[in-house]
Amino acid sequence: GAVVSQHPSRVICKSGTSVKIECRSLDFQATTMFWYRQFPKQSLMLMATSNEGSKATYEQGVEKDKFLINHASLTLSTLTVTSAHPEDSSFYICSASRPGGVGYTFGSGTRLTVV
Amino acid sequence: AQKVTQAQTEISVVEKEDVTLDCVYETRDTTYYLFWYKQPPSGELVFLIRRNSFDEQNEISGRYSWNFQKSTSSFNFTITASQVVDSAVYFCALPISSGSARQLTFGSGTQLTVLP
Repeated sequence: GAVVSQHPSRVICKSGTSVKIECRSLDFQATTMFWYRQFPKQSLMLMATSNEGSKATYEQGVEKDKFLINHASLTLSTLTVTSAHPEDSSFYICSASRPGGVGYTFGSGTRLTVV
Repeated sequence: AQKVTQAQTEISVVEKEDVTLDCVYETRDTTYYLFWYKQPPSGELVFLIRRNSFDEQNEISGRYSWNFQKSTSSFNFTITASQVVDSAVYFCALPISSGSARQLTFGSGTQLTVLP
């Protein structure tokens, strides 16, 4: 079946540093990748949608200069949290959709803690 | 509006009890899909079911069953003879269109706790 590998699963970083999260589709081409954020005891909220080879589309209230998304290939999308602050501590999870498909494959998520 | 409402924030049951998780949705699409996911404490999302709006038959998979009622825009999920391992947050989700993409929008989730 379709698998999306997400790394790292957990990361602790210091305030002010940047963190990169990778999502790789292992056995299919992910033309579209969705990035979600989930705060404790809350639902998953879409941050941005990226299509291979084009700029990401960010949801209202999400700072595009802070959350850099790169979808340079059909198998790799990255989310970089720049100048991280403690309030960026959250669970980040990616989801890939396949062309023509109606399914979504989720990564296993990244728990980011900014200290 | 296109959204998913899960009115039950938390449910607690004793093992072997049956439990139903409610999901009400709003969509302007004439055909659509609905999803249920399970999120255990580890955080990963576990796919449970995808339902096409064409098919209103109830579905059963082991101890899980789903009741889809288009007339009331509901897609409820029942766990029969619950087990401790069923403890998790359950999300109902609906794909919505935004430009060329159709991203999943999630309900607020229901935290299910099954007590031994």
